[in-house]
Amino acid sequence: DVKVTQSSRYLVKRTGEKVFLECVQDMDHENMFWYRQDPGLGLRLIYFSYDVKMKEKGDIPEGYSVSREKKERFSLILESASTNQTSMYLCASSGRGGDGGRPYGYTFGSGTRLTVV
Amino acid sequence: QKEVEQNSGPLSVPEGAIASLNCTYSDRGSQSFFWYRQYSGKSPELIMSIYSNGDKEDGRFTAQLNKASQYVSLLIRDSQPSDSATYLCAVRELTGGGNKLTFGTGTQLKVEL
Repeated sequence: DVKVTQSSRYLVKRTGEKVFLECVQDMDHENMFWYRQDPGLGLRLIYFSYDVKMKEKGDIPEGYSVSREKKERFSLILESASTNQTSMYLCASSGRGGDGGRPYGYTFGSGTRLTVV
Repeated sequence: QKEVEQNSGPLSVPEGAIASLNCTYSDRGSQSFFWYRQYSGKSPELIMSIYSNGDKEDGRFTAQLNKASQYVSLLIRDSQPSDSATYLCAVRELTGGGNKLTFGTGTQLKVEL
């Protein structure tokens, strides 16, 4: 089974700190994603990457950056944490596509619940 | 902004009944659709994918797709208390790379004894 591992399950950081959230997948997937999930707002895409060193902004990239130096690892960086970044952060990965180019669904990591105080 | 709409619920059904979860999407060109189940405090888990009009069955789950109506649904037969969760509909965007999905906000399902 595909495994997507997020480094921390719970994290508490102070306002203004630089925060690193790490995600590693073990199935050689090309695509990796960072979402945040908030009650009533659902899953919102922050950034995604479809290849090493490639990154694209999602719907809510402000205040975040990402790094993908190796295929298996995709890091989310909060440059200066703020209280409105308190959320559940979910990393996901997927392969490029199956037969006929049909896209695969995502496999999610277990999530990191970040609290910024 | 591409949209995926779901009724937030909660949808309550008795044990053994059929649960019907619905989703509409705005991008007429979308081709790939997914259903995820998310238990409280857990991350989403892929349960169904569907790409062609019609029905696709997998055990107690049936996904239904109607591209003309821009509508996708998930039926759960013989609902069990263990099916109580939030169900997320996701749609693959037509343009761009990277297999980008847009998610609905989810429907909470409660299966009552």
